[in-house]
Amino acid sequence: EAQVTQNPRYLITVTGKKLTVTCSQNMNHEYMSWYRQDPGLGLRQIYYSMNVEVTDKGDVPEGYKVSRKEKRNFPLILESPSPNQTSLYFCASSYQGTVNTGELFFGEGSRLTVL
Amino acid sequence: ILNVEQSPQSLHVQEGDSTNFTCSFPSSNFYALHWYRWETAKSPEALFVMTLNGDEKKKGRISATLNTKEGYSYLYIKGSQPEDSATYLCAFRRYSSASKIIFGSGTRLSIRP
Repeated sequence: EAQVTQNPRYLITVTGKKLTVTCSQNMNHEYMSWYRQDPGLGLRQIYYSMNVEVTDKGDVPEGYKVSRKEKRNFPLILESPSPNQTSLYFCASSYQGTVNTGELFFGEGSRLTVL
Repeated sequence: ILNVEQSPQSLHVQEGDSTNFTCSFPSSNFYALHWYRWETAKSPEALFVMTLNGDEKKKGRISATLNTKEGYSYLYIKGSQPEDSATYLCAFRRYSSASKIIFGSGTRLSIRP
């Protein structure tokens, strides 16, 4: 089954304790991206990757890191989480062959609470 | 940061009625416009990817139109059903930075039985 898998789905942590949210896709997509969703603000792009070893900042990259060592994986790293990073996070991927097939496939979301 | 505006923010519609809502985006340097449906406790799912001015797409009772010159897209739902209750998101891609996908804040649609 074609899917994007995120882990963990739910996490409560404390300020400053490093954490990683993993994202894996099995569709051989070149493009992967992370979003956060906050009430009233829609989905905001954190980082994206066009292919292996190619990453770039989205609109809200502060406090986050990513890596793309393999095509299927795109982990989101919070080196020192703070309460303002409490949010719902989505990983997404897409095929970049043509613009008409650029629809995003989303993971199930990871709800993160930083105390 | 580019502004993608959706209106209204929320909508309550009687079952069987038709409805529509709007996504506004910058008209310059257009690349693509996406529509997604996001049901509660699920992930957003793509409805349409639209690229050409005047494009019309249809999937069942849901259709969308695109006007890239004036920077808007309409999503229509004909004969609303309870399963149409969801948040509908549009997302804009600009030609000069097509990898950055900018989402609107969504229209939350509730269907009253």
